[in-house]
Amino acid sequence: GAGVSQTPSNKVTEKGKYVELRCDPISGHTALYWYRQSLGQGPEFLIYFQGTGAADDSGLPNDRFFAVRPEGSVSTLKIQRTERGDSAVYLCASSLLSLVGGANVLTFGAGSRLTVL
Amino acid sequence: ELKVEQNPLFLSMQEGKNYTIYCNYSTTSDRLYWYRQDPGKSLESLFVLLSNGAVKQEGRLMASLDTKARLSTLHITAAVHDLSATYFCAVDIDTGKLIFGQGTTLQVKP
Repeated sequence: GAGVSQTPSNKVTEKGKYVELRCDPISGHTALYWYRQSLGQGPEFLIYFQGTGAADDSGLPNDRFFAVRPEGSVSTLKIQRTERGDSAVYLCASSLLSLVGGANVLTFGAGSRLTVL
Repeated sequence: ELKVEQNPLFLSMQEGKNYTIYCNYSTTSDRLYWYRQDPGKSLESLFVLLSNGAVKQEGRLMASLDTKARLSTLHITAAVHDLSATYFCAVDIDTGKLIFGQGTTLQVKP
């Protein structure tokens, strides 16, 4: 697609429920990233995929968070037993992961705003 | 602890004025990015700075990087209302793993 697509754009859920957030990256982009942005803050890294595998998941806050990218394209971020503190905008980004010239510019999606009541 | 600190965090300025946003970081990365975010929107890439002394300009915005001082600046020349947004600097510590600053919210008044 022309850009990074994220669904849903807004999700309201109750504490303790399970949530899935989907990201469809730019076609041909091998790297996919998930970030979380709380109100008034900069985005925080969660996880990144190179192809199908998670290359770095050091930013996932705890084992309630899990992400997959089974075919190396679309990714799903899964949050179990949601807590109020999980409320944030979840941003997905993709890139070619080409360090030709040293740059690896991430293109971000519009985000999924999660509200846990 | 890796830190990226921006100042100021909020900037209100008149149209036509000049100002500089500062981004200090604590790691030795030489890849730094500036992004713009409009309210309720996602992040738009503005500049990529890849080496010490790098300077990039686009319209009324100019970004520079001093890797020895671990400092990047975003200079605004003759501000216009359309530049009102939140600006983030981000340091790439590993293949797209970015550490973002807190953001600087710029408000340009007519």
